[in-house]
Amino acid sequence: DIQMTQSPSSVSASVGDRVTLTCRASEGISNWLAWYQQKPGKAPKLLIYTASSLKSGVPSRFSGSGSGTDFTLTISSLQPEDFAIYYCLQAKSFPWTFGQGTKVEIK
Amino acid sequence: EVQLVESGGGLVQPGGSLRLSCAASGFTFRSYEMNWVRQAPGKGLEWVSYISSSGGSINYADSVKGRFTVSRDNAKNSLFLQMDSLGVEDTGVYHCARQGLGNALDIWGQGTMVTVSS
Repeated sequence: DIQMTQSPSSVSASVGDRVTLTCRASEGISNWLAWYQQKPGKAPKLLIYTASSLKSGVPSRFSGSGSGTDFTLTISSLQPEDFAIYYCLQAKSFPWTFGQGTKVEIK
Repeated sequence: EVQLVESGGGLVQPGGSLRLSCAASGFTFRSYEMNWVRQAPGKGLEWVSYISSSGGSINYADSVKGRFTVSRDNAKNSLFLQMDSLGVEDTGVYHCARQGLGNALDIWGQGTMVTVSS
């Protein structure tokens, strides 16, 4: 199975900050990576697919990059509604696997 | 509006069974691959199962293989998860999710809670 490791596990940041989250795959997954945002009590929301494609309707302050084993999600200017948990998902081969999540907290 | 709505969750004793349903609307259900994903209380996301658009290809997480069965009825725009031999480790919110571009799970239901407890 492909293991997905996210770092950091949590980050404290202020509104307006630039935040970068990392996801590392245990083996190469090309660009078969998606990023999700989840708020308490809600279903995950897709932000980025194929590592760098922004889903329609998602604010442009979110961007994704990477290929192979190392990926990043960047929030260029953190907004109050962005405080949440972020997960990566590899969808190259079964079983699909999620990272353990990164919690973005208010500083 | 594109929507997925799960139902069928509840409280069940260890060793028991439950059948979850997911009703799809607002898109051509028969054209999409579908998945189940669960989340234990306070924990992260865990992929559970996949089914192809026709139902001819199916995959499961090792943790549920042999106990859970995924199926679909394209005529009724519905996805199902039959869960047998349930254990306390199966407790959590179960989401159905549509698979879209790049295999990303692009549309999620709000989830249905399954509690396995004596």
